[in-house]
Amino acid sequence: AQSVSQHNHHVILSEAASLELGCNYSYGGTVNLFWYVQYPGQHLQLLLKYFSGDPLVKGIKGFEAEFIKSKFSFNLRKPSVQWSDTAEYFCAVNAGSNYQLIWGAGTKLIIKP
Amino acid sequence: GAVVSQHPSRVICKSGTSVKIECRSLDFQATTMFWYRQFPKQSLMLMATSNEGSKATYEQGVEKDKFLINHASLTLSTLTVASAHPEDSSFYICSASAWTPYEQYFGPGTRLTVT
Repeated sequence: AQSVSQHNHHVILSEAASLELGCNYSYGGTVNLFWYVQYPGQHLQLLLKYFSGDPLVKGIKGFEAEFIKSKFSFNLRKPSVQWSDTAEYFCAVNAGSNYQLIWGAGTKLIIKP
Repeated sequence: GAVVSQHPSRVICKSGTSVKIECRSLDFQATTMFWYRQFPKQSLMLMATSNEGSKATYEQGVEKDKFLINHASLTLSTLTVASAHPEDSSFYICSASAWTPYEQYFGPGTRLTVT
């Protein structure tokens, strides 16, 4: 069965630190990849997505993610985090012809001011 | 753009009653709407997918007679939890897609507590 794993459930960083959140999926065919963010008290928002083309995808608020097909990974990065990046981050994958999104368990990111 | 609303945001009901949750796409027409359930410290679990004017497709293990979904128009889908019980207490989230079924826009969620 297809699955998505996010390796870190909780990450605590200081402001200005660099961030990398891991996401791996299990599916050998064509995938569409997403990162969603949920700020405290708010609904899920799309951060960035990959459908095809350049495997380095830039999203909103300075986030980027790199699709590495050989590693089945789509890690999220930001060079310098801010306190306002405190949120929960979800990786999701759409695989094959199915419209469903397969979700990772989420990573809670806390940025210390 | 691409705003999805849910109503109510929070509901408390007694065991045995039915609860209806509305999901609306405010500024676009949603060809497909999705209903999720989110358990504490867990990922979103897809319950069902619905297309306007047709019956919802339920995921394995989701009781369609208990979680009734109606997608009456391109901007409105409703989830009715029939005869709710305490184990149905959860956070229910809807999402809608328009231009591509792979990209979903989420509502703020509804916290259901069944006493």
